Amino acid sequence: GAVVSQHPSRVICKSGTSVKIECRSLDFQATTMFWYRQFPKQSLMLMATSNEGSKATYEQGVEKDKFLINHASLTLSTLTVTSAHPEDSSFYICSARRVMNTEAFFGQGTRLTVV
Amino acid sequence: TQLLEQSPQFLSIQEGENLTVYCNSSSVFSSLQWYRQEPGEGPVLLVTVVTGGEVKKLKRLTFQFGDARKDSSLHITAAQPGDTGLYLCAGQGGSNYKLTFGKGTLLTVNP
Repeated sequence: GAVVSQHPSRVICKSGTSVKIECRSLDFQATTMFWYRQFPKQSLMLMATSNEGSKATYEQGVEKDKFLINHASLTLSTLTVTSAHPEDSSFYICSARRVMNTEAFFGQGTRLTVV
Repeated sequence: TQLLEQSPQFLSIQEGENLTVYCNSSSVFSSLQWYRQEPGEGPVLLVTVVTGGEVKKLKRLTFQFGDARKDSSLHITAAQPGDTGLYLCAGQGGSNYKLTFGKGTLLTVNP
């Protein structure tokens, strides 16, 4: 199967700082990557869709200036949480879709804690 | 907006019992995927169903896609403690292959 690697798996940061999360497709090229947020024991909420080389499309209610997404290559997308606050603490998960394939594969997630 | 209603939301059963999880929608999906997620990890794809009426089996797990491609079910036979986890259905449709997730079913299988 396709492998998606997400880094870091856990991060603790101080309120007001920015945190970058990386999502890499290790053995395939991903035209589209998706970023999700998940609260404990709940389902995944799509935050944004990023296509390589173009601006990300954000879901309603997601602040694009707060959650900066960059998809600079076919194997890497990054999510930067800017000026993080405790309410941004959550589990963030990325997924990547292979070129010419409808299936999406998920990273292992990043647990962000803002103190 | 496409919505997927997943039920039940919580399920606690004894080892050896059977169970069924349902995903229903008023929308048609081009495909539907089932995932299993363990705490602190990302979802792992179990199966993708594409054709209306399709049935797929994965050991003790049976997945069915409705004829109209609006609903799906996951049936587990003789559940084991190792089946414990969050089961998510996700429908795919529209541009960009966005996935619409159900709310998930948190399954606990007690020994």
